[in-house]
Amino acid sequence: DGGITQSPKYLFRKEGQNVTLSCEQNLNHDAMYWYRQDPGQGLRLIYYSQIVNDFQKGDIAEGYSVSREKKESFPLTVTSAQKNPTAFYLCASSIDGGGLLKTQYFGPGTRLLVL
Amino acid sequence: AQSVTQPDIHITVSEGASLELRCNYSYGATPYLFWYVQSPGQGLQLLLKYFSGDTLVQGIKGFEAEFKRSQSSFNLRKPSVHWSDAAEYFCAVGAHSGGGADGLTFGKGTHLIIQP
Repeated sequence: DGGITQSPKYLFRKEGQNVTLSCEQNLNHDAMYWYRQDPGQGLRLIYYSQIVNDFQKGDIAEGYSVSREKKESFPLTVTSAQKNPTAFYLCASSIDGGGLLKTQYFGPGTRLLVL
Repeated sequence: AQSVTQPDIHITVSEGASLELRCNYSYGATPYLFWYVQSPGQGLQLLLKYFSGDTLVQGIKGFEAEFKRSQSSFNLRKPSVHWSDAAEYFCAVGAHSGGGADGLTFGKGTHLIIQP
């Protein structure tokens, strides 16, 4: 089945620790995205990538880093600089071909909790 | 910058009754508009989308939405709700940028409660 997988489903972070969230897609989509979801806040864009080895900051990139070494994979690292990392993290992907193809499809999410 | 407002944080509807969830957007040109649904602890599922053309769009699970440019609205409707429709609903807008991908702007969501 084609789709987006995120792992782990739950992740615990200790103070000062960096943690990495995995996102993989087999939809052959060019573009991938990371969003953060907090209760009552909707989704906010962290980073996005249109093509391998290139990515752009979203609205709340501070304290996060990403890489895009493969088309299928877009891991997100939550660094120790992110002081309030507890949230639900959603990965999405879309075809990158201009405006008509902006429909984004989402993975199941990873819930990050701080110990 | 674009923005999305979902005025209703919570809505309670009786099973079998009709539903309308409101969405207003702010954007300088014709936007791309989306409705997504999220069950607790899950990712977002696309219900429907509007890019251009017919302003009444049909989606999955019996949902429809109407784009009204004059009101900057994209309200979601369903004629008869089922208990399984209880979830969080998000409206989102995407920009008609020159090309390439960029993120969507989401509303804060409407929590739908279904009464038996």
